[in-house]
Amino acid sequence: RKEVEQDPGPFNVPEGATVAFNCTYSNSASQSFFWYRQDCRKEPKLLMSVYSSGNEDGRFTAQLNRASQYISLLIRDSKLSDSATYLCVVTGGNQGGKLIFGQGTELSVKP
Amino acid sequence: DTGVSQDPRHKITKRGQNVTFRCDPISEHNRLYWYRQTLGQGPEFLTYFQNEAQLEKSRLLSDRFSAERPKGSFSTLEIQRTEQGDSAMYLCASSLGDRPNYGYTFGSGTRLTVV
Repeated sequence: RKEVEQDPGPFNVPEGATVAFNCTYSNSASQSFFWYRQDCRKEPKLLMSVYSSGNEDGRFTAQLNRASQYISLLIRDSKLSDSATYLCVVTGGNQGGKLIFGQGTELSVKP
Repeated sequence: DTGVSQDPRHKITKRGQNVTFRCDPISEHNRLYWYRQTLGQGPEFLTYFQNEAQLEKSRLLSDRFSAERPKGSFSTLEIQRTEQGDSAMYLCASSLGDRPNYGYTFGSGTRLTVV
């Protein structure tokens, strides 16, 4: 079983749609949680951190459920520019600070 | 440019040849990480350094792979006797300590193709 598992993609949605990504992680000692965005043939870039209390950044909302070891990302009013691969990432515990990535979920927003 | 830089951006090599990649981290970052990413997968951890000390190596890092960070600044990743399965994007990242929330920056990567 992979340490971090994400919804299989791709997600194809029209502009303006709301889309949700789900992720589960296996190491209960994980301490930090993130969503990264990766554009085609580019490096991953931090989108947002994820906190137990939930956090929002504009159209993006991230949630963490430690008991279920579950992380989510909600994108509202999706834009063409949101098209990318979204990577669920965890770190901490006995992982020495390194980031453990999920396989990524590809999002394609169509006009 | 104060970001993480990697060189070369692309490398095509014949099977069996050795290749070496370089990563220059953000100057004040003491941690440096190497990752490998294949198509359709997330980046997989290979190894990381704190200053010049290599603190962890993944089981993915076979004997053909070696990484160094001799002066705690730039790092090199060498692959000996390359195989077609080594074809991937090799990503380097750096951070200040273990503060991934805002200090973990990736380079643009080196895309390796083994023919």
